[in-house]
Amino acid sequence: EAGVAQSPRYKIIEKRQSVAFWCNPISGHATLYWYQQILGQGPKLLIQFQNNGVVDDSQLPKDRFSAERLKGVDSTLKIQPAKLEDSAVYLCASSSSGGLNGYTFGSGTRLTVV
Amino acid sequence: GEDVEQSLFLSVREGDSSVINCTYTDSSSTYLYWYKQEPGAGLQLLTYIFSNMDMKQDQRLTVLLNKKDKHLSLRIADTQTGDSAIYFCAESGSSNTGKLIFGQGTTLQVKP
Repeated sequence: EAGVAQSPRYKIIEKRQSVAFWCNPISGHATLYWYQQILGQGPKLLIQFQNNGVVDDSQLPKDRFSAERLKGVDSTLKIQPAKLEDSAVYLCASSSSGGLNGYTFGSGTRLTVV
Repeated sequence: GEDVEQSLFLSVREGDSSVINCTYTDSSSTYLYWYKQEPGAGLQLLTYIFSNMDMKQDQRLTVLLNKKDKHLSLRIADTQTGDSAIYFCAESGSSNTGKLIFGQGTTLQVKP
């Protein structure tokens, strides 16, 4: 089966600009996750969708971050305006079973804010 | 609270066994996981263990769980240079929604 697709792979923006990331999960996977991985740290959950509904967005900085999953398939994560501390790899993952058996990660989008 | 701790670095010789350790805080975690991350890649699920198990073996990988001490370990037998990567321990936490709480990762260096 095809994996989790993410684009772009890399993005460099200036602070205060906006940026969007796209994720296409594995076909049929109802649960989609966005994680933020800062260099030298483990990933941290930003938001979790079940189909097109939000399950957990408690760690999402809602003043600048937004995410949507229209039609319960693809998802976009947006940052507006970006700050220097947003420099990180943004990982998308999906699962079919609610995630407790582990899930499949995409290769991530590396964001550098200068 | 939910927290996962790992040692940062481990170096072994090719052919030796590697043991990567992890401690976690949330005793209600149902599942515990080991993920592998190679440079420039996403995380790959290696194995997971249900909290009522003490041990799980999968080919060269052995996971040991000490629930009393909240300690998890991953043993890689006959370590190869291709095993060089960052290994992340993760717990499912109390929510059981599928959210994972990751440690900071252990870099495994395998010397030929």
